[in-house]
Amino acid sequence: EVQLVESGGGLVQAGGSLRLSCAASGFTFSTYSMNWVRQVPGMGLEWVSYISPSSGTKYYADSVKGRFTISRDNAEHSVFLQMSSLRDEDTALYYCVRGRADLTGTSDLGYWGQGTLVTVSS
Amino acid sequence: DIQMTQSPSTLSASVGDRVTITCRASQSINSWLAWYQQKPGKPPKLLIYKTSSLQNGVPSRFSGSGSGTEFTLTISSLQPDDSATYYCQHYYGSSGFGQGTKLEIK
Repeated sequence: EVQLVESGGGLVQAGGSLRLSCAASGFTFSTYSMNWVRQVPGMGLEWVSYISPSSGTKYYADSVKGRFTISRDNAEHSVFLQMSSLRDEDTALYYCVRGRADLTGTSDLGYWGQGTLVTVSS
Repeated sequence: DIQMTQSPSTLSASVGDRVTITCRASQSINSWLAWYQQKPGKPPKLLIYKTSSLQNGVPSRFSGSGSGTEFTLTISSLQPDDSATYYCQHYYGSSGFGQGTKLEIK
């Protein structure tokens, strides 16, 4: 069974940093792309970032480009999101998401974690 | 970035109705479009991928169509369990979601 468990969320001051982690299990982690998607409670979904299986390709939403960095450790079956220069508008539930299939490039999103809540206070 | 626009934003329909939700892309995304269903307190669930392919386990009353910049999600006969918010997502280059359509059952 595919499992994605996020951690690292919490309360942080505006301008601060936070590192989110996602522990994956139940599949061959090194062959799947991974994503982070966020959602302000009660609002819509926002795709945040993508990383290819080999870490060779990374994409970011314009809203986080230059402030967030996605990375992964295939040996540890984990993906990370380093967030810096945090703003009020980064407050959201952050989901770790796996592509449906082991395809190259961004893809449809078949498996979602339960999310970790990030709250940025000013 | 490619912008995705869904319509309507909210929709109220009766059990048994045929329901259609539209998603428009600001530029062609070929067929790289997916649809999701989200219920309160839960992560989204993939319904349709590559415009019209039904994800395993999803009821056949859900279908998708379109190409280029205009896409639709159709529920052929609305059921009470279909009350949810629906999102489209493009995955052409980077990725992005529509703003969502909240579907209520009358």
